[in-house]
Amino acid sequence: EAGVTQFPSHSVIEKGQTVTLRCDPISGHDNLYWYRRVMGKEIKFLLHFVKESKQDESGMPNNRFLAERTGGTYSTLKVQPAELEDSGVYFCASSQKIKGVFVTEAFFGQGTRLTVV
Amino acid sequence: QKEVEQDPGPLSVPEGAIVSLNCTYSNSAFQYFMWYRQYSRKGPELLMYTYSSGNKEDGRFTAQVDKSSKYISLFIRDSQPSDSATYLCAMWGYSSASKIIFGSGTRLSIRP
Repeated sequence: EAGVTQFPSHSVIEKGQTVTLRCDPISGHDNLYWYRRVMGKEIKFLLHFVKESKQDESGMPNNRFLAERTGGTYSTLKVQPAELEDSGVYFCASSQKIKGVFVTEAFFGQGTRLTVV
Repeated sequence: QKEVEQDPGPLSVPEGAIVSLNCTYSNSAFQYFMWYRQYSRKGPELLMYTYSSGNKEDGRFTAQVDKSSKYISLFIRDSQPSDSATYLCAMWGYSSASKIIFGSGTRLSIRP
């Protein structure tokens, strides 16, 4: 079974440009999450989709970030315009709902390393 | 104050040693306590999770949770060079909604 797939694995863009990150969750997983880790900090939650609906987007830092999950399958995270402080590693994770506690079985992708110069 | 505190290390031990990794936390509402392993340039991989207080064992790994002290531990017995990675503690409770709260990770190196 394929795991969570993210691409690109690495992106270098200039400040002010737009970047779109993509995540393909494990097939059949309704829950999809975005997290990010900026330099020297812990991994932090950005948002959570249940199928195509945003369940919780309280971690999105500002309105330069837009996440979508068309048809409840793959998801994209767009940053427009990118700023220097957006540099970091963006992780996607997915999970089924198991015994009503879905977060404990979240599987993570390898991450997209975003560098804004 | 961070909700979860974890010593970033690095921690270096000889092969075969017992490794102890720890985290403290401040939110008494956390109910699920997880340990992830992350190899370089890879995503976090769930090792094990524990509900509430107590111990859980899986092969060479043992997770302990002491809710009264707000302290969790991961022990690795008979450590191997392949265990060299960053270990992240993580926590969740119903009050967290969708969020897993991560520690900053401890970088572990097992010397052959």
